Order: sequence, then structure tokens, then C-alpha cells
Amino acid sequence: EVQLVQSGAEVKKPGESLKISCKGSGYSFTSYWIGWVRQMPGKGLEWMGIIYPGDSDTRYSPSFQGQVTISADKSISTAYLQWSSLKASDTAMYYCALSGENYFDYWGQGTLVTVSS
Amino acid sequence: EIVLTQSPATLSLSPGERATLSCRASQSVSSYLAWYQQKPGQAPRLLIYDASNRATGIPARFSGSGSGTDFTLTISSLEPEDFAVYYCQQRSNWPSGTFGQGTKLEIK
Repeated sequence: EVQLVQSGAEVKKPGESLKISCKGSGYSFTSYWIGWVRQMPGKGLEWMGIIYPGDSDTRYSPSFQGQVTISADKSISTAYLQWSSLKASDTAMYYCALSGENYFDYWGQGTLVTVSS
Repeated sequence: EIVLTQSPATLSLSPGERATLSCRASQSVSSYLAWYQQKPGQAPRLLIYDASNRATGIPARFSGSGSGTDFTLTISSLEPEDFAVYYCQQRSNWPSGTFGQGTKLEIK
């Protein structure tokens, strides 16, 4: 069974750094793209970026380029999304999603990130 | 970046009625369009891919059509569990993509 299990909710202060994770199982982790999607409170889905763990090829949406870093550790089948300096506007639910046929077939349960002073 | 515009923003219908949701792209995406359903507190679920193909386990009452810039998701007869938010997503410039802003399907 394909599963994406994300790390737990985080509460951070502005300016702090953060790295959240998404562990894949039940499939060949290095063979499929994993994307990250933001959903701000009460808002829609936003494509942040995507990584191919096999060779770490990474693409960012223009809106998120330079704002976050996406990475993967294939030795532990885990993808990451990180911030070096959080802002209050980063408060959102973040989903990782697996692309099987070039769409997001499987989704993680989401990680809620709250940034507040 | 390709912009997807969904309409209407909110659709109020009753169970048993037919729902028609629209997604328009700012430039042609060929047939590289998907539809997702999201219920409160849940992750999105893939319904339709490549404009008209149902994903695994999706009931036949869901259908998609369109190509180029204009796409439609149709739910032939609404069930109570179909009331949710629906998003379209294009992947014509894979591995990049964009989502529409969503249509909320609510009970009338």
C-alpha cells in the first residue's frame, strides 16, 4: 500500500527555521516525483514545487522560488520542505503528494505550520 | 505561468441534481488537466486525470470533458458525500503545474 506520512504540526516564531518531512512507503521512492502543496487557512491549493528523488531534480513554482527549499534523502525514503526564516504568512497546511501518472495520485495527511510571535 | 480560473466560485444544488463545474486555462494545456475533490479536514483526492479519465475507485457519476483551454467536471446525480470543494490542476509544463482557485459545491 502506498503511503505518505508527514511530520507533525509545528508552532514557530517569525524568523525561526523549520524543516518538515514526508516519508514514502509501499512504492519505489526514487522512481516518482513528490510535490509540495500549500493551503493557507480557508484558501485554495497552491503548487509550491516538486522533486524527483532519484536524481534530486527539483522545480519550484515562481511564487515559491527562493522562499523554500525542497530536498529528499533517498536512503530513508523521505522528502523535505524547509524554511530558513519563517514569516507569519507561512502559516498554512502543507501537503506532500506523490505523482504516479504525472498527477498527484497519493497525498500525505498534511502538516500544519503555525508561525506566531 | 498558466492560470486556471474556475467557475462558479460557489455552486448551490440539491442531492440528485446535476452539477457542472468549469475550469478555464489562460493558454492551451492540451488534455493535461486533472480534477480533485477536497472535503473539510482532509487531503485532496484525485478524481479525473487527462481531462476525462476517472482515477481508480472514482464512481461513474463523475465525468470530465474538454481540451485546450476549456474543461468541465460533471457530477450526474449528486450524492450527499459529493458536497465539497473541487480544484482543477494542469500539468502541461510538467514537472511544473498550477491549481485553480476552487469551486465550493454546497447543499442548497
